[in-house]
Amino acid sequence: QLVESGGGLVRPGGSLRLSCAASGFSFRNYYMSWFRQAPGKGLEWVSSITSSASTIYYADSVKGRFTVSRDNAKDSLYLQMIRLRVEDTALYYCARQQGASIAAVATGWFDPWGQGTLVTVSS
Amino acid sequence: SDELTQAPSVSVSPGQTARITCSGDALPKQYVYWYQKKPGQAPVLVIYKDSERPSGIPERFSGSSSGTMVTLTISGVVAEDEADYYCQSADSSSTYVVFGGGTKLTVL
Repeated sequence: QLVESGGGLVRPGGSLRLSCAASGFSFRNYYMSWFRQAPGKGLEWVSSITSSASTIYYADSVKGRFTVSRDNAKDSLYLQMIRLRVEDTALYYCARQQGASIAAVATGWFDPWGQGTLVTVSS
Repeated sequence: SDELTQAPSVSVSPGQTARITCSGDALPKQYVYWYQKKPGQAPVLVIYKDSERPSGIPERFSGSSSGTMVTLTISGVVAEDEADYYCQSADSSSTYVVFGGGTKLTVL
């Protein structure tokens, strides 16, 4: 299971840190990813991180503003978001990644997903 | 282009077969995965590696691929299949995760 937390209302330019608590599987052995879905829009990939955090990829839309990290001792994934924009408003999901490799971090499938945490950026 | 293209909507009557397509130039080199997304619920993986079905997913869900197009087929559609369906893959350099725009399946 995956449970996201940390969402909320923040003003443009502000910061927020999301957390994703994992249980029921060996978290340290899996790549993990963040996704989001803006209101009325489709699914969008945000970032992926390898099991040891040695390789991290970001979508161009968040590069330089978002930072993904993980604490394998705490079975937790994080997403630090700074310089937030109105267009970052979305439901943010974490998901376990399978089928990828160190040479192809963005491949594979995502299962399971958490229920999401809502981030609203508004003045 | 590494974009994935899906039709915005598909409508079928109960018991009929729904076919949802996804096209993209990188698909001959990358696997495709399909997710079912219902309002207020987390996405659910229904097909992986083009045509494999995860445990717990009904047999009426199947996937196929041909060149730059992949197809999710739902045979004998039931009302509970009404949802948005998204295809997902990677770009040709395996650097970015890519989603199609989603197809809304309406069960008439």
